[in-house]
Amino acid sequence: AQSVTQPDIHITVSEGASLELRCNYSYGATPYLFWYVQSPGQGLQLLLKYFSGDTLVQGIKGFEAEFKRSQSSFNLRKPSVHWSDAAEYFCAVGARSGGGADGLTFGKGTHLIIQP
Amino acid sequence: DSGVTQTPKHLITATGQRVTLRCSPRSGDLSVYWYQQSLDQGLQFLIHYYNGEERAKGNILERFSAQQFPDLHSELNLSSLELGDSALYFCASSATAGTSGEQFFGPGTRLTVL
Repeated sequence: AQSVTQPDIHITVSEGASLELRCNYSYGATPYLFWYVQSPGQGLQLLLKYFSGDTLVQGIKGFEAEFKRSQSSFNLRKPSVHWSDAAEYFCAVGARSGGGADGLTFGKGTHLIIQP
Repeated sequence: DSGVTQTPKHLITATGQRVTLRCSPRSGDLSVYWYQQSLDQGLQFLIHYYNGEERAKGNILERFSAQQFPDLHSELNLSSLELGDSALYFCASSATAGTSGEQFFGPGTRLTVL
């Protein structure tokens, strides 16, 4: 079964500084990879996804993520954070096998705090 | 706004009771996924329906069941509720039957079991 590890429970970044959130996954092959953001009291919104091809993927709100097969990682980055980026961020994997009917497997999340 | 609606937003009930959570997917989406978000377990996949048929089960308890109706809305039934069932329950809809399709999440139903 697949699993996702987000090693950082909380991260504090100053507004305008760069951001990197870490994600490592365990899966027998290359899974589908996703990053979601959850603002307080809201559902999850998809930031970006990786299926195949270019290992650097661009998402919404200025986020990008890089898939590194050798490290089983899919880290999320943003060059300059804004106060509105404060939220909970979830990395998720989806299985390619079995028709992919299973739901996504999520990491525990990283809580991002933005300092003024 | 994802286009996915969930009712009710909040639900407070007692142990041993039964509740029903409702989800209306985005227009045209045939897949509905249910997830449970709790402090100790995080976000867990419960069950997936596609066009009225159950496609996959995750960590869903036997006390829980779901169905998807001909109009594609879905209901998650939770019975014999325990304190540990208190959580945020999300549904997500997708146009496809597999995880390659983007899942659009609803705002969730917060269940509190007293």
